Amino acid sequence: DAGVIQSPRHEVTEMGQEVTLRCKPISGHDYLFWYRQTMMRGLELLIYFNNNVPIDDSGMPEDRFSAKMPNASFSTLKIQPSEPRDSAVYFCASSLSRGSVGELFFGEGSRLTVL
Amino acid sequence: GENVEQHPSTLSVQEGDSAVIKCTYSDSASNYFPWYKQELGKGPQLIIDIRSNVGEKKDQRIAVTLNKTAKHFSLHITETQPEDSAVYFCAPSGGSYIPTFGRGTSLIVHP
Repeated sequence: DAGVIQSPRHEVTEMGQEVTLRCKPISGHDYLFWYRQTMMRGLELLIYFNNNVPIDDSGMPEDRFSAKMPNASFSTLKIQPSEPRDSAVYFCASSLSRGSVGELFFGEGSRLTVL
Repeated sequence: GENVEQHPSTLSVQEGDSAVIKCTYSDSASNYFPWYKQELGKGPQLIIDIRSNVGEKKDQRIAVTLNKTAKHFSLHITETQPEDSAVYFCAPSGGSYIPTFGRGTSLIVHP
């Protein structure tokens, strides 16, 4: 398997623009997580899905953030409108649960810069 | 929710020395204790994990020890090498089944 695939790897945009980050989890995995990483706040869990259903989005900072998982092989994280404080590395991770969540497999991340 | 703390936040050692990173957690229901390594420009990757029915696990130069009574577990790296330089995260889980990541420990191994 190719692992978790994220796109784009780098995105530079201007304040107010819409940003869409994409993730393809490992085939067969039933959990998908979106994390944001900054120096100030470390790795923050934004939202996670189980079998394509959003379970907990309490980490989503504001209504400007939304995430979808239309099928088992694709998820998006959208920021609209984007702001400079959204600049961070966004990671997608997937996991196969065996009674509980075990190892997380991370993608290489999408580095977002909002000017 | 789970409160997770890692210490130290930065660790600088000479090549060949040992390194120990400690992680404390608050949820007594936690039963899975992994350590992830994040290299520059990449996502975190699992390097070793332990479940609550085991006190210690070793894999070549790395080991994890668990003290469930005191609610902490530690990562031990022996004979450190420059390629061990990275950020290490603990991420215990259990009660909520969702891992909570620590703030990370930056390990620097000087040649």
